[in-house]
Order: sequence, then structure tokens, then C-alpha cells
Amino acid sequence: EAQVTQNPRYLITVTGKKLTVTCSQNMNHEYMSWYRQDPGLGLRQIYYSMNVEVTDKGDVPEGYKVSRKEKRNFPLILESPSPNQTSLYFCASSQGAGQGWYEQYFGPGTRLTVT
Amino acid sequence: AQSVTQLDSHVSVSEGTPVLLRCNYSSSYSPSLFWYVQHPNKGLQLLLKYTSAATLVKGINGFEAEFKKSETSFHLTKPSAHMSDAAEYFCVVSNTNAGKSTFGDGTTLTVKP
Repeated sequence: EAQVTQNPRYLITVTGKKLTVTCSQNMNHEYMSWYRQDPGLGLRQIYYSMNVEVTDKGDVPEGYKVSRKEKRNFPLILESPSPNQTSLYFCASSQGAGQGWYEQYFGPGTRLTVT
Repeated sequence: AQSVTQLDSHVSVSEGTPVLLRCNYSSSYSPSLFWYVQHPNKGLQLLLKYTSAATLVKGINGFEAEFKKSETSFHLTKPSAHMSDAAEYFCVVSNTNAGKSTFGDGTTLTVKP
């Protein structure tokens, strides 16, 4: 089954304790992206990756890191989480762009609480 | 640069009546436009997309949208609302040759019996 998986699904942590949220896709997609969803703000893009070893900032990259060492995986790293990073996080993947962009497939989400 | 404005944060309709969710966009390049739906406590699902082919796009569950370049709009419509359509809807713009995707703030659709 084609899917995007994220782990963990729920995480409660304390300020300053480094954490990683994993994301994996099995569709051989070149493009992957991370978003955070906050009430009334829609989804805001954190980072995206056009291919292995190619990443770029989205609209809200501060406080986050990413890496793309393998095509299928795109982990999101919070080196020193703060309470304002409490949010619902989504990973997505896509074939990328041909004549237009292909749709994104979203993971189930990771609900992060930083106290 | 690109942006998306969903003109209504909440829309309420009665079951069986038409649905209109409005979206305006701005883009420096030829845009690809999408509508996604998110049901409560669920992930996001693609409803339909526009990628420079036909300007009237049909999607799943009876939804359709029309791309109007002169008005920079991509409004979502459905002739007859169903209770199962109650959800949050997001309009999204992506630029060809760039990796940025911009979501609107979302429109919550309520369907009254």
C-alpha cells in the first residue's frame, strides 16, 4: 500500500530536549516536505526537499533541521524544542513537478507538545 | 512570491443546497492549484487539482473548481451538500520549478440537516 508514515504519532516532551520525528514514504517520490498546522493558520511549510541531499527552507524554518540522506526518509529534527513548537506536524511526499505539480500525499500527523 | 487567501473562514449550508468555498491566489509563476479536505482528526486528502490543462476541474465526491486567471481565483463548488462534506478545506498553490507550497488558512464547512 502506498503511504507516508510518521513516528511517533504523539509526543510530549520538555523544553530543550532534542527530538526527531521520522517520515518515510514507499512511493519512490523525489519531493518531500514538512508542515506544521496551527488553529486558524492552515498548514505552514517548514522545509522541503527536491531530492536526496537537496533541501530548502519553507516559510517557518526557524528552530528546525532536516536531512535527506535517502530518498524514502526525511526526518525532522528539533535540536532545542520550545513551547511555541507545540503543534500538529505533517510530512508529505510527491512525484514533484512535470508540466504542473503533482499532488502531495500526507502522513497521518504527529502531535507534539512541548512543556 | 505566492500567497493564498480563503475568503471565508466558516461556511454553513443546509444539506442538499449548493456549496461555494472561495479562494484567491497570487503567484509570480504559472501556478498549480489544489484543494485538499481534512475531516476531524484525520489527515489531508486531495479533492482536485489544476495544472494548466482544462480550467474547469472535476474532483472526487462531486466537487469541482474553476481556474480564472483574470480574477486569480480558484473557487470550489458542489451542487448539493451532503452531511459527510462537513470538514475543513484548504486551497493550496505551488509554483512549477519551485518546491514551495502555500496553504490558505482553511475554510470550515458545516452542513446542517
